[in-house]
Amino acid sequence: SAVISQKPSRDICQRGTSLTIQCQVDSQVTMMFWYRQQPGQSLTLIATANQGSEATYESGFVIDKFPISRPNLTFSTLTVSNMSPEDSSIYLCSVVLKLNTEAFFGQGTRLTVV
Amino acid sequence: AQTVTQSQPEMSVQEAETVTLSCTYDTSESDYYLFWYKQPPSRQMILVIRQEAYKQQNATENRFSVNFQKAAKSFSLKISDSQLGDAAMYFCAYRSLPYNTDKLIFGTGTRLQVFP
Repeated sequence: SAVISQKPSRDICQRGTSLTIQCQVDSQVTMMFWYRQQPGQSLTLIATANQGSEATYESGFVIDKFPISRPNLTFSTLTVSNMSPEDSSIYLCSVVLKLNTEAFFGQGTRLTVV
Repeated sequence: AQTVTQSQPEMSVQEAETVTLSCTYDTSESDYYLFWYKQPPSRQMILVIRQEAYKQQNATENRFSVNFQKAAKSFSLKISDSQLGDAAMYFCAYRSLPYNTDKLIFGTGTRLQVFP
């Protein structure tokens, strides 16, 4: 299994500002993902964080709004830029240890934009 | 593209009783994984059970079991002897196998309430 530390656990931010969320894993992982869960909704994949290269974004998500870094195999950050109230969601980091195993999740970051 | 559908937004069950949560999916792939995840109020996503599409035998984990009907593209979760701690959101999820993308496609979730 994997232990994932995601910070912050929650934050309240002013519109127009940016927030960076950190995801630290206790072991090297092959794949890291960032999901968004809007209030009362399911999880939607934002992007796959690639180690040493640009993240792969899903349709509807762009790098300027959600820049992602992954400098090594155990750490990644997601930034929510120029925030608006519509960005209020839970953001979750997910990892897969090796191919064909289950995904593990961080505890999520509850973001409220006012 | 693959889709996952959970048609029951909410379900309720009495403690010690059995409840079944429904999930259907659409795919043109022959090999894939299916999962049920539980999300309690703590927000932590917890894997409940997984099923490989190439396995005919239904997966079982203690009180949790699935009814996997590949031809019908159905993947229901049965919770036996329900406990108060089972109360949570339950998400059905799909993952492709051939391309090893490892990303999950989630259904909309079912909120399960357990009454004493």
